[in-house]
Amino acid sequence: TQLLEQSPQFLSIQEGENLTVYCNSSSVFSSLQWYRQEPGEGPVLLVTVVTGGEVKKLKRLTFQFGDARKDSSLHITAAQPGDTGLYLCAGVGVWNRDDKIIFGKGTRLHILP
Amino acid sequence: GAVVSQHPSWVICKSGTSVKIECRSLDFQATTMFWYRQFPKQSLMLMATSNEGSKATYEQGVEKDKFLINHASLTLSTLTVTSAHPEDSSFYICSARRLAGPLNEQFFGPGTRLTVL
Repeated sequence: TQLLEQSPQFLSIQEGENLTVYCNSSSVFSSLQWYRQEPGEGPVLLVTVVTGGEVKKLKRLTFQFGDARKDSSLHITAAQPGDTGLYLCAGVGVWNRDDKIIFGKGTRLHILP
Repeated sequence: GAVVSQHPSWVICKSGTSVKIECRSLDFQATTMFWYRQFPKQSLMLMATSNEGSKATYEQGVEKDKFLINHASLTLSTLTVTSAHPEDSSFYICSARRLAGPLNEQFFGPGTRLTVL
């Protein structure tokens, strides 16, 4: 069962455009994270959101955690070719008695110059 | 700080042979390490959780006799793919959690590309 649904799965847009990637679940998460992964490399953590309604900004990237802590979004303003990559949301659920992080299927983003 | 390395970064082997992949935490102690598998254009799938000094916990559908995990020290976990077959070809990624670190904090290695001919 896929607990974290990401949309869209693929997105190809022109440089300078804005975009939003969504991460949704029917389950509550104690925290959600966003990673970016380049081909042939491990994922790199971008941000961790913990509090419902929390908004964090990382330069042109804005991350939001839903009020109910079931969803999150990543908004990129004025996308650049360097933003190209696989974006993964991941979370630790409140139901977890162990320490597993659940990953979404990812959003493959391609920014055209 | 908090660097995780993997060795080798890529490996090609013949079908039926075994391959060992190492995951090391370079500047911290990791009581827990995780092994993931990632097929092309897909997300990371957790294979197993490795705790230092105890047996690994495998996810459903992962054969423990095929994917042997040994977490012998607080800085090293190994994954051995036994009797590898072409369908085992994948990108294997490990991550490590610091001793007494928060549950949501994992540091990922750079991955190992396994190709089985």
